[in-house]
Amino acid sequence: GENVEQHPSTLSVQEGDSAVIKCTYSDSASNYFPWYKQELGKRPQLIIDIRSNVGEKKDQRIAVTLNKTAKHFSLHITETQPEDSAVYFCAASSYGGSQGNLIFGKGTKLSVKP
Amino acid sequence: DTGVSQDPRHKITKRGQNVTFRCDPISEHNRLYWYRQTLGQGPEFLTYFQNEAQLEKSRLLSDRFSAERPKGSFSTLEIQRTEQGDSAMYLCASSIAGGSTDTQYFGPGTRLTVL
Repeated sequence: GENVEQHPSTLSVQEGDSAVIKCTYSDSASNYFPWYKQELGKRPQLIIDIRSNVGEKKDQRIAVTLNKTAKHFSLHITETQPEDSAVYFCAASSYGGSQGNLIFGKGTKLSVKP
Repeated sequence: DTGVSQDPRHKITKRGQNVTFRCDPISEHNRLYWYRQTLGQGPEFLTYFQNEAQLEKSRLLSDRFSAERPKGSFSTLEIQRTEQGDSAMYLCASSIAGGSTDTQYFGPGTRLTVL
């Protein structure tokens, strides 16, 4: 089955710096890769997602890149702000078929210091 | 609030008791998922439904766990004879199958503590 590895487990940056979180996946059938942000005690919230027919997607300060050959994808946050502090999870799934469940990484705790 | 809702938000029970959680998905969503999240970990898939049909169950879902979605709307997750290892956050998510993505929207979760 699918396995998703996420690094680093913790990341501390200064406000205004960039943050990069990397994930690798094992199942070549996976074709949908969302990123969720989870603040303490709150639900995971989708911040950006990418499908396997796209190499990069950007939404304001957030971007995701996907390398299907290497089976890895990354989240890039530019101009970080204290409110970006949270745990970020990457996930993978093969949508459209019978296996729509998401397989999550273990998470990255991002701390943005003012 | 038109998002995914879960009830109760917190549940404390004694080992050996049965507990039941409810999830109400976003109204037009035909897929409903249950996940379990323990401290410091990502959500782990338990089971999911498309309409009223339960399509997949994880190996994590022991015989003590059962889930239903009788009318294809809300779902319940029951844990029988709870164990301390069942203590976790139980998350529900919903999505629309057949769209361009399978974006899953999560509920606030039910935090279970087994004493």
